[in-house]
Amino acid sequence: GAVVSQHPSRVICKSGTSVKIECRSLDFQATTMFWYRQFPKKSLMLMATSNEGSKATYEQGVEKDKFLINHASLTLSTLTVTSAHPEDSSFYICSARTGYNEQYFGPGTRLTVT
Amino acid sequence: SQQGEEDPQALSIQEGENATMNCSYKTSINNLQWYRQNSGRGLVHLILIRSNEREKHSGRLRVTLDTSKKSSSLLITASRAADTASYFCATDPSSGSARQLTFGSGTQLTVLP
Repeated sequence: GAVVSQHPSRVICKSGTSVKIECRSLDFQATTMFWYRQFPKKSLMLMATSNEGSKATYEQGVEKDKFLINHASLTLSTLTVTSAHPEDSSFYICSARTGYNEQYFGPGTRLTVT
Repeated sequence: SQQGEEDPQALSIQEGENATMNCSYKTSINNLQWYRQNSGRGLVHLILIRSNEREKHSGRLRVTLDTSKKSSSLLITASRAADTASYFCATDPSSGSARQLTFGSGTQLTVLP
């Protein structure tokens, strides 16, 4: 099946700094990419939907100025957590949808803000 | 918004037994998918069942879908300790331009050796 990678897999940063997470579709072009957030022992919560070359669509309650999403190409989307705080610590998962409407998930990024 | 509800939230069984997890949803769907997630890891796609299908099998997995009741079940037969994980259902809506998946709350399955 198709492969989606995320980098880094784990990151620890200090409060107030910004962190960028990359999501890449390795062997296909993704028309749409999704970013999810998952708290421990909880389900995945959709944060935003991004299409290449256009602005991301954020879910209600997700601050667009805090979680910056850039979908610069058909194989790369980035999520930047700006001015991170401890409550932003979470597991962030991206997924990429192919032109056949199949969705593939990345392995996730564990963010810890100290 | 999250629309899927799964029950039970947690299930503990002995190796060799069958495990059944249920998922209910609220809106019309194009398909329903089941995923597995080991602790702290990414999602693994298990099986997809389309809205016009009632049952699907894949190895030791059996999925049913009842669109009239807006519910689905995942049955794992002859469970193994390695099946210990969280299991999520996800619905692909039949309308909307983005058609993003909506995940259920998940069932934590523990298979005791």
